[in-house]
Amino acid sequence: EVQLVESGGGLVQPGGSLRLSCAASGFIFSSYSMNWVRQAPGKGLEWVSSISSSSNTINYADSVKGRFTVSRDNAKNSLFLQMNSLRDEDTAVYYCAKIDRHYFDCWGQGTLVTVSS
Amino acid sequence: EIVLTQSPATLSLSPGERATLSCRASQSVSNYVAWYQQKPGQAPRLLIYDASNRATGIPARFSGSGSGTDFTLSISSLEPEDFAVYYCQQRDNWPITFGQGTRLEIE
Repeated sequence: EVQLVESGGGLVQPGGSLRLSCAASGFIFSSYSMNWVRQAPGKGLEWVSSISSSSNTINYADSVKGRFTVSRDNAKNSLFLQMNSLRDEDTAVYYCAKIDRHYFDCWGQGTLVTVSS
Repeated sequence: EIVLTQSPATLSLSPGERATLSCRASQSVSNYVAWYQQKPGQAPRLLIYDASNRATGIPARFSGSGSGTDFTLSISSLEPEDFAVYYCQQRDNWPITFGQGTRLEIE
């Protein structure tokens, strides 16, 4: 069974940093692109970042470019999101999602990031 | 950036009725559209990809159609578990974008 489990969320002050992790199991992690998608409280879905299977191709939403860094460790079946210079508007549930045929076919349960003083 | 506009924002129907949800793109996205269902407190679930293909395990009452700029998700006969929020998503151009969602509620 494909499983994605996020961790690392929490309360952080504006300007602070946080590192999210996503542990993958049940599929050949190194063969798939992975993504982060977020959802602000009561709002819709926003794609954040994408990383190819070998980390050769990385993309970011303009809203996080220069502040967030995505990475992966294929040996440990893990995906990461380093978030710096956090703002109030970064408050959201962050999901990691597996890509298949360019669509998000499997999602984690999400981890909540709250940016507040 | 391609903007996806979903309509209506809220759709009120009864179990057994047919639901039709719309997604319009600000420019052509070919057939590169997916639909997701999200229930409260849960992650989204992929329903339809490439406009009309059902994802693994999705019941046949869900169907998708469209190409270019206009797309439709249809649910032929609503079951109680179908009442949720539905999002469309395009992958034709970076950045990947989602519609704002349609809330399907019980009338």
